[in-house]
Amino acid sequence: AQKVTQAQTEISVVEKEDVTLDCVYETRDTTYYLFWYKQPPSGELVFLIRRNSFDEQNEISGRYSWNFQKSTSSFNFTITASQVVDSAVYFCALSVGDMRFGAGTRLTVKP
Amino acid sequence: NAGVTQTPKFQVLKTGQSMTLQCAQDMNHEYMSWYRQDPGMGLRLIHYSVGAGITDQGEVPNGYNVSRSTTEDFPLRLLSAAPSQTSVYFCASSHPGSGANVLTFGAGSRLTVL
Repeated sequence: AQKVTQAQTEISVVEKEDVTLDCVYETRDTTYYLFWYKQPPSGELVFLIRRNSFDEQNEISGRYSWNFQKSTSSFNFTITASQVVDSAVYFCALSVGDMRFGAGTRLTVKP
Repeated sequence: NAGVTQTPKFQVLKTGQSMTLQCAQDMNHEYMSWYRQDPGMGLRLIHYSVGAGITDQGEVPNGYNVSRSTTEDFPLRLLSAAPSQTSVYFCASSHPGSGANVLTFGAGSRLTVL
């Protein structure tokens, strides 16, 4: 069975702090895909990144970076120098055919 | 290009009433799915479809029916609404593939069952 755990329910930081959102997944499949989505206060779901199980390279996109470690079944997301606009709920998801989401982490960035 | 369109955006029902949440996409995506979002539980998969005429159950299918008569449309039916079905519902679509797909989501439909 597939499962995604986001243990951090809510995180609050002050602007310009770095913050890491944790994601741990479970699957018996060797081929799978991991995703992060952002849900800002307006409610839409925005795709951020996709990773396949054979690519453990970390990725950086501006202030965002992702650390994928198969050894610990983790796919963590770091925001560097956070901004108020980063305030949102962030979902990690695992796909083996269909996509299953974690419970989400609500990030609040205070000015 | 409208993407994924959901209607209605808001709906209030009484227990036992039936209704259909509509979902339409104009991207010629073969894969479509319905999720519900509840506080503290993330998004849970209700039903999905890999193409016209093909549907399957997700994590929480009870109380919901779907059909897929065209590539564009994937309606979600509540036959007898219950308060436990109060939630925000998202429809999503993607190109086919073996799990690699990036889902495009609709704006969501907020349903309240009294």
